[in-house]
Amino acid sequence: AQSVTQLDSQVPVFEEAPVELRCNYSSSVSVYLFWYVQYPNQGLQLLLKYLSGSTLVKGINGFEAEFNKSQTSFHLRKPSVHISDTAEYFCAVTPFSGGYQKVTFGTGTKLQVIP
Amino acid sequence: SQTIHQWPATLVQPVGSPLSLECTVEGTSNPNLYWYRQAAGRGLQLLFYSVGIGQISSEVPQNLSASRPQDRQFILSSKKLLLSDSGFYLCAWSVGGHSTDTQYFGPGTRLTVL
Repeated sequence: AQSVTQLDSQVPVFEEAPVELRCNYSSSVSVYLFWYVQYPNQGLQLLLKYLSGSTLVKGINGFEAEFNKSQTSFHLRKPSVHISDTAEYFCAVTPFSGGYQKVTFGTGTKLQVIP
Repeated sequence: SQTIHQWPATLVQPVGSPLSLECTVEGTSNPNLYWYRQAAGRGLQLLFYSVGIGQISSEVPQNLSASRPQDRQFILSSKKLLLSDSGFYLCAWSVGGHSTDTQYFGPGTRLTVL
């Protein structure tokens, strides 16, 4: 079984400052990793995903994430945040396998961008 | 382009009443469909997923059920709601049959059970 830990439930940051949202996972097998964003009262939207290859993954809206296998982490970063980045961010994992496997989501981190 | 609809957007129901939430997808065929529940501080919990008409897999034992009467229609039901059923219910779809496929989420239904 897999689990995802997002230790920070809320992260306040000033506009134009950098931000890092932390994600750690636990799994006995190799995994694929995702970050989703949820704007207020909306569904989730994929930001980026790591499947293989370069451990630095670039996504939409200027976000990027780095996969660190030894630390079992997949932290999300943005060098300069905007007010419109205020949202909740979810890290998720799914195991390497053929066919469908359940995607396990973390509890989310609310990013609050302060003007 | 593909779109996903959920209704109603919000719902307030008394304990013990029945529930029916509907999700429909447009612009794609034979999607995989999912129901998630999002409770405060608990992330997303997968409730059901379906790979085809009449094929439903349940992830968590509970008093909820799901049905897929048509290819692009997914319904979440309950005969008697509990207080613990309150939450934000999200429907999602994907194509490809692999867990690396991107899931596309609907706008959600906020359910309050009183």
